[in-house]
Amino acid sequence: NAGVMQNPRHLVRRRGQEARLRCSPMKGHSHVYWYRQLPEEGLKFMVYLQKENIIDESGMPKERFSAEFPKEGPSILRIQQVVRGDSAAYFCASSSGTGTSGEQFFGPGTRLTVL
Amino acid sequence: GQQVMQIPQYQHVQEGEDFTTYCNSSTTLSNIQWYKQRPGGHPVFLIQLVKSGEVKKQKRLTFQFGEAKKNSSLHITATQTTDVGTYFCAYNQGGKLIFGQGTELSVKP
Repeated sequence: NAGVMQNPRHLVRRRGQEARLRCSPMKGHSHVYWYRQLPEEGLKFMVYLQKENIIDESGMPKERFSAEFPKEGPSILRIQQVVRGDSAAYFCASSSGTGTSGEQFFGPGTRLTVL
Repeated sequence: GQQVMQIPQYQHVQEGEDFTTYCNSSTTLSNIQWYKQRPGGHPVFLIQLVKSGEVKKQKRLTFQFGEAKKNSSLHITATQTTDVGTYFCAYNQGGKLIFGQGTELSVKP
């Protein structure tokens, strides 16, 4: 039973380019969460999605960031016109059930570097 | 929104010594979770506590949830080099996890 999968594991972009991060949740999980970890900092919630729905996007920056979890395929976190401050590790997590309790299973993360 | 404060930020111990990290909130928490993140790795769930005064043990790890459900602690007895990493407390707020700042543990052999 494969765990949460994320790709790419490492991504390098130049300022102004777009970054697309993908996440496939664990089999049977319908709740997906994205977190950002800046260097030497803790984990910050970004967005919570279920299939085709955004449940909570209170942690998403107002501009340039978007997320989706389509009916088919992985969840995508998209960052447009990246800036150096976007350099961070982006972790996806998934859970089963209602999502309001219980553990979340984290993927290996995508390390984004903006030059 | 609610925040959890975690101390200390860093802890350096000699192998065999004990280690404790603390998590505090100004408001009552419905639950508290603990995660471990190895250097260069991703967070891994350790445990969830939901009851007032709850104590759970996993081998050398002891987790406590305060009577008022405003604080929690993780205690490791006789640390080993495999315990190295950052330990985060977190609580689940409507699905999203709110993390403490983490305590980075280093163990000197």
